Amino acid sequence: RKEVEQDPGPFNVPEGATVAFNCTYSNSASQSFFWYRQDCRKEPKLLMSVYSSGNEDGRFTAQLNRASQYISLLIRDSKLSDSATYLCVVNKRSNYQLIWGAGTKLIIKP
Amino acid sequence: ETGVTQSPTHLIKTRGQQVTLRCSSQSGHNTVSWYQQALGQGPQFIFQYYREEENGRGNFPPRFSGLQFPNYSSELNVNALELDDSALYLCASTATSSGGAGTGELFFGEGSRLTVL
Repeated sequence: RKEVEQDPGPFNVPEGATVAFNCTYSNSASQSFFWYRQDCRKEPKLLMSVYSSGNEDGRFTAQLNRASQYISLLIRDSKLSDSATYLCVVNKRSNYQLIWGAGTKLIIKP
Repeated sequence: ETGVTQSPTHLIKTRGQQVTLRCSSQSGHNTVSWYQQALGQGPQFIFQYYREEENGRGNFPPRFSGLQFPNYSSELNVNALELDDSALYLCASTATSSGGAGTGELFFGEGSRLTVL
């Protein structure tokens, strides 16, 4: 079993719709959680950190469920520019070794 | 732009050869990590450098080695290239207090795409 698992997709979603995807992690001692976005053939960029209380940044909402060991990302009112691969990232220990999921591909259609 | 620059952007090597990839970190960042990203996969952690010393390593063989220089720039060296080494190699920089956990935001360069024939 991979340490961080994501549905690879692709998720084909019409513009304006709401889309959500989850990521599960296996190490219960994981401390920090992030969502990164990666455009095709580009480098990953931080989308948002995920806090225990949940957090929102504009149209994006991230949630953490420690009991079930998953994090989620919700995108409301999706835009064409949201088309990308979304990578779930977990900090395994109190150092800087991040464990990355393989990513979920999102395609927003007009 | 993140301020992290990598070179070369693309290169082609043959099996058994050696390659050196270079990374200039963002100004003020003292910690550099290297990742390998195969097609359709997430980045895999290779190693991290803090103050010119390796302070973390992923599951990569010794033929993957690196350096960090006093100006915090870094090199990734891969010896005895294998076909499976074909990937995008990403360098990321950040500022940490002791090479440990930071804010979680890594600033990536655009990567070096290596093809091994």
